[in-house]
Amino acid sequence: GAGVSQTPSNKVTEKGKYVELRCDPISGHTALYWYRQSLGQGPEFLIYFQGTGAADDSGLPNDRFFAVRPEGSVSTLKIQRTERGDSAVYLCASSSLVSTGELFFGEGSRLTVL
Amino acid sequence: DQQVKQNSPSLSVQEGRISILNCDYTNSMFDYFLWYKKYPAEGPTFLISISSIKDKNEDGRFTVFLNKSAKHLSLHIVPSQPGDSAVYFCAASAQETSGSRLTFGEGTQLTVNP
Repeated sequence: GAGVSQTPSNKVTEKGKYVELRCDPISGHTALYWYRQSLGQGPEFLIYFQGTGAADDSGLPNDRFFAVRPEGSVSTLKIQRTERGDSAVYLCASSSLVSTGELFFGEGSRLTVL
Repeated sequence: DQQVKQNSPSLSVQEGRISILNCDYTNSMFDYFLWYKKYPAEGPTFLISISSIKDKNEDGRFTVFLNKSAKHLSLHIVPSQPGDSAVYFCAASAQETSGSRLTFGEGTQLTVNP
């Protein structure tokens, strides 16, 4: 498709389990971002990739969170030993190199940790 | 600390009237501001933006005003339509930060009544 694609759209897991969330950005977009949106809040920055490398991971809350983008396209956000507080919508966005600041968001992956 | 703040969680207006959504920021390094619109179960979509070198940007029914001295921006929608009912997020970026990393406000739920 033409837009940012995220899978799964919904994920329910148990506390302590491992979770992977996938993002397929718009073709040709070199920049990819992960955000997290909790209920009643705006999206909160997690990590930014330029190509294959994480240019800024300062938003990752702790070392249970990790993201990769091995070929500079699809990215996977990995959460280890999930906690109930990780429950949120995880949004992926991409932008082109010449973007003036506009990010294109996917529909998000809703994670529920029981 | 909340660098971008939207103090009104909700706003209700009558169809045909003007909707005014407000946003304040604290970081003087922000130089680019955007408004995003979000429908339930969808990702945020870009609406309109403004650079800090301007004080107004207009696109059809949508106008964004920027008051740098007050660190305040507003989004005007006129005339408002029922299809405008959504959550509106104000966002800001600083040129010196990585890529197009955006800092979002908490959002304002706009309801336009027929």
